[in-house]
Amino acid sequence: GIQVEQSPPDLILQEGANSTLRCNFSDSVNNLQWFHQNPWGQLINLFYIPSGTKQNGRLSATTVATERYSLLYISSSQTTDSGVYFCAVEREDDKIIFGKGTRLHILP
Amino acid sequence: GAVVSQHPSRVICKSGTSVKIECRSLDFQATTMFWYRQFPKQSLMLMATSNEGSKATYEQGVEKDKFLINHASLTLSTLTVTSAHPEDSSFYICSASGSYSSYNSPLHFGNGTRLTVT
Repeated sequence: GIQVEQSPPDLILQEGANSTLRCNFSDSVNNLQWFHQNPWGQLINLFYIPSGTKQNGRLSATTVATERYSLLYISSSQTTDSGVYFCAVEREDDKIIFGKGTRLHILP
Repeated sequence: GAVVSQHPSRVICKSGTSVKIECRSLDFQATTMFWYRQFPKQSLMLMATSNEGSKATYEQGVEKDKFLINHASLTLSTLTVTSAHPEDSSFYICSASGSYSSYNSPLHFGNGTRLTVT
């Protein structure tokens, strides 16, 4: 089945720093989404981005479907950005598979 | 935006009892709902997919007789953990899609249910 790999697994940054999170996937996908899971477990949909580039405030994402990767950029990190960032892809049978996540900790 | 309501948010039950978790789409018709389980510090693992009016499709390794899923309407899916045991303690999250595929229809998640079996 399709493999979804995220890197790095853990990231500790000082407030104000920028970061890039990567998601590689092993096969063609119908779509890709980035989520932020906050410390309370709630999943927040950040981007629905099967291809191209999108921006929302300090966050932006780029998916290069032909090369099977997606990047999530976080600029000027804030402590509220802490949590786990997941990418999820839709496989051929329409089911959504999550990567293992990147655990981000922003220090004040 | 689309809202998915999951209830309860937290439940503690005794071993051997059954627990029902509800997942409702509040402002759209959810033709497909997904149930995930997440153990501490791990990723979300798909348990099953349910389409309204038909039997759920379970992922390999998920016991269908233990995790009963009902998707009787376009706005409600339920997951019942039967005869719960401590190893069933986990964070359960539902998601809903307004089509038979999430293509062009992003997933929307409930806030999750933290189940603790004592």
